[in-house]
Amino acid sequence: DAKTTQPTSMDCAEGRAANLPCNHSTISGNEYVYWYRQIHSQGPQYIIHGLKNNETNEMASLIITEDRKSSTLILPHATLRDTAVYYCIAWGRGSQGNLIFGKGTKLSVKP
Amino acid sequence: DGGITQSPKYLFRKEGQNVTLSCEQNLNHDAMYWYRQDPGQGLRLIYYSQIVNDFQKGDIAEGYSVSREKKESFPLTVTSAQKNPTAFYLCASSNRGAYEQYFGPGTRLTVT
Repeated sequence: DAKTTQPTSMDCAEGRAANLPCNHSTISGNEYVYWYRQIHSQGPQYIIHGLKNNETNEMASLIITEDRKSSTLILPHATLRDTAVYYCIAWGRGSQGNLIFGKGTKLSVKP
Repeated sequence: DGGITQSPKYLFRKEGQNVTLSCEQNLNHDAMYWYRQDPGQGLRLIYYSQIVNDFQKGDIAEGYSVSREKKESFPLTVTSAQKNPTAFYLCASSNRGAYEQYFGPGTRLTVT
């Protein structure tokens, strides 16, 4: 499975866009990029995933670079409730094992 | 309401005792998973099951056991052989072949 690297922590002002980067330089062609988030003391919540094209849903947008070595999760208007740990995971069918949740990025949204 | 339930939310046990954590889902998912999370760390996979009556060890299965007798239930037993059982335990489920996993609220186990 491709490993991912994320910054340990980030701050964002309430109402502004939060841009969370993720590097996955060893990602293989059949591996998707997944994003989950975990609010304190709760189970992780699926946000979005993508393969090559940019994706958008009601929660966030996912921008994947053309070479697929990195991606950015965008929360367009961050609220205090978006304060959480965000996990970027590269995984696909045929990968050994299951989803690997690293330490993620702790996003703090401040008033 | 469809979802995954884990009970209890907090569990306290004495060292040397086995303890079983409950996980139930009504999402009709084939696959179920157990993860362990320690403070400030990511999730580590303990066991997973793709279908009823079948399960596989994850990365840290030693000291744990599971059963999958029913599609909707995947209980985890933390045995006395687990050296550091105090942790936050998370159960998840997914459709077979699907990538998104749905997580329960977790059980925080404290062993003293």
